[in-house]
Amino acid sequence: DTAVSQTPKYLVTQMGNDKSIKCEQNLGHDTMYWYKQDSKKFLKIMFSYNNKELIINETVPNRFSPKSPDKAHLNLHINSLELGDSAVYFCASSPGENTIYFGEGSWLTVV
Amino acid sequence: AQSVTQLDSQVPVFEEAPVELRCNYSSSVSVYLFWYVQYPNQGLQLLLKYLSGSTLVKGINGFEAEFNKSQTSFHLRKPSVHISDTAEYFCAVSAYGGATNKLIFGTGTLLAVQP
Repeated sequence: DTAVSQTPKYLVTQMGNDKSIKCEQNLGHDTMYWYKQDSKKFLKIMFSYNNKELIINETVPNRFSPKSPDKAHLNLHINSLELGDSAVYFCASSPGENTIYFGEGSWLTVV
Repeated sequence: AQSVTQLDSQVPVFEEAPVELRCNYSSSVSVYLFWYVQYPNQGLQLLLKYLSGSTLVKGINGFEAEFNKSQTSFHLRKPSVHISDTAEYFCAVSAYGGATNKLIFGTGTLLAVQP
């Protein structure tokens, strides 16, 4: 029943590894996002997709590559993980111009 | 471009007391305004939103907020808080942008309710 679901919720991995976070929404929304929340709880948009097309890319390092196989899914792949990538990553979706609905977050710890 | 300022990083308050969490925004275009709540180790939940119409909006859990265009503010209020309201509260703004819509968040206010 979860509207925006993302997996895994917790992920601990070593520096240099490659990892993916998956996101699915069952709300029928056209737009999906990835947001990053840093250790100071500051939230910032990373990417936005509309109907599988990249709309927003907020100067995120190339090591981060979003992929949208269909409009209900937006996965985030991260190559060569660094300590500074440790954060909470939120997937979200929106029907259009206003309200954005967030998933439960994925807590990534790079050691 | 838009920006959001939450002046208080932490607001301690006693249970059953009223509370106001302040939010000011800056934008050269019309905006939508939101308050989200994040309980410890959980995701972001929408508390309330202002899109248009009445400037006083009511949300979940007894919270309300008032949009003040002249003061560019959207303060969040609750007349009587509970221990369970302890959480991080984020004010956010988005411009009318259609597919390029994105939320700009404030830095958050930790509401710490004490018995």
